[in-house]
Amino acid sequence: NAGVMQNPRHLVRRRGQEARLRCSPMKGHSHVYWYRQLPEEGLKFMVYLQKENIIDESGMPKERFSAEFPKEGPSILRIQQVVRGDSAAYFCASSQRLGTSGDEQYFGPGTRLTVT
Amino acid sequence: AQSVAQPEDQVNVAEGNPLTVKCTYSVSGNPYLFWYVQYPNRGLQFLLKYITGDNLVKGSYGFEAEFNKSQTSFHLKKPSALVSDSALYFCASMNTGFQKLVFGTGTRLLVSP
Repeated sequence: NAGVMQNPRHLVRRRGQEARLRCSPMKGHSHVYWYRQLPEEGLKFMVYLQKENIIDESGMPKERFSAEFPKEGPSILRIQQVVRGDSAAYFCASSQRLGTSGDEQYFGPGTRLTVT
Repeated sequence: AQSVAQPEDQVNVAEGNPLTVKCTYSVSGNPYLFWYVQYPNRGLQFLLKYITGDNLVKGSYGFEAEFNKSQTSFHLKKPSALVSDSALYFCASMNTGFQKLVFGTGTRLLVSP
């Protein structure tokens, strides 16, 4: 059973370009989460999605950032007009909600975004 | 507001000795608590979680954690450390009814041979 897949693993963008990060959840998982890890810091929640729905986007910056999880295909985290401060590791996680809160989340290897 | 504190940036222990990585939390209501481990350039791996029930939770790779409600702590422990346990450890909490994990800043564990 493949784990959470993320691609690309490394992404370099110039200031002002767009970054697209992809995440395929574990088989059978219908819940996807995105977290950002800045250098020497812990992970910060960004957004929680189910298929075709954004459930909680309380951690998303108000501008330039968007996320989707379409009916078919991977979840996408999109950053428009990137700035140097967007340089970070972006982790995707997935879970199989069993009807109660507290399900553990399984993390992908992350995408390391560098903005030059 | 929900928060998690890991008071030690780094913990050093000799191989074979017991280890403890500390975590305290501030969560309204009954918390769900988790420990994850991160190896260099890798994602986080789930170690264990506390939801309810027995205060001593056993997890992967011989790790365990003790939930202490009066001290609002959830320290990670292992009776005998291995060099391969050297990694970055994160404590996290989740509010009941939500799915968002709130992480501590992490503790680097260094096990010397």
